[in-house]
Amino acid sequence: SAVISQKPSRDICQRGTSLTIQCQVDSQVTMMFWYRQQPGQSLTLIATANQGSEATYESGFVIDKFPISRPNLTFSTLTVSNMSPEDSSIYLCSVDRGPYNEQFFGPGTRLTVL
Amino acid sequence: AQSVTQLDSHVSVSEGTPVLLRCNYSSSYSPSLFWYVQHPNKGLQLLLKYTSAATLVKGINGFEAEFKKSETSFHLTKPSAHMSDAAEYFCVVSEGNTGFQKLVFGTGTRLLVSP
Repeated sequence: SAVISQKPSRDICQRGTSLTIQCQVDSQVTMMFWYRQQPGQSLTLIATANQGSEATYESGFVIDKFPISRPNLTFSTLTVSNMSPEDSSIYLCSVDRGPYNEQFFGPGTRLTVL
Repeated sequence: AQSVTQLDSHVSVSEGTPVLLRCNYSSSYSPSLFWYVQHPNKGLQLLLKYTSAATLVKGINGFEAEFKKSETSFHLTKPSAHMSDAAEYFCVVSEGNTGFQKLVFGTGTRLLVSP
C-alpha cells in the first residue's frame, strides 16, 4: 500500500481565483493520478502525472484549467485555475502501487467555490 | 472501452442481514476488477480486487465478491451487515492490458444499514 497526504484538506475560495492542491506520497512512485468527485457523483480521472514529462489529460480536462506539476517521484500538485462554483468538488490524488495496478487514494481536498 | 454498471444507487438492509451490491462490467480484455468503499468524509479504501487468480475473492471486513465471466458480473456480498458498513461502494474496472491501468469507476451504491 502507500501513505498519501493532501493539502489542504478543504478550502473555500472565491470565484476567479486559483487553488493549488498538494499530494505527497511516502515512497517513490512512477504514476500519480488526479481525480475529481463532484457532489454526489462518482470519481472522474482528470489526468495522469508521470515524473519528468507532461501530464496526460482525459477528455474534457485541459492543462490551462488544471495545470499539474510532478517535480519528483513522491510529490505532485494540481492547480484549479480561474475557479467557478462548478469546480466545487472533492479532488483526490492516487498512486499505482499494487502488483495488479490497484490504486491507493489520498484523503481528498474538499473545495467549495463561492 | 471498459465500463461498469452498478445496478442499484441505494441499498437498504437491517443490521445482521446479508448484503448484496450488484455490479456488471464490460471489458475487451481480461479485466482487473475492484471494489472500493468511501465512508462519509473519508478517503477511498480498497475492499478487494479480482486479478484472475481465483473467481471468489475475499476482502477486508468480511466482504467478498465473485467474478462470473458468463454473466459479466462482480457482485459484492457480506453475510451479515454491521452499522459500520454504511458507506458508498464503488465497483471499478481497470482499463488497459499493459503498463499502467486507468481505473473506470461505477456510479456508486450507497449502503444504508438500519438497527
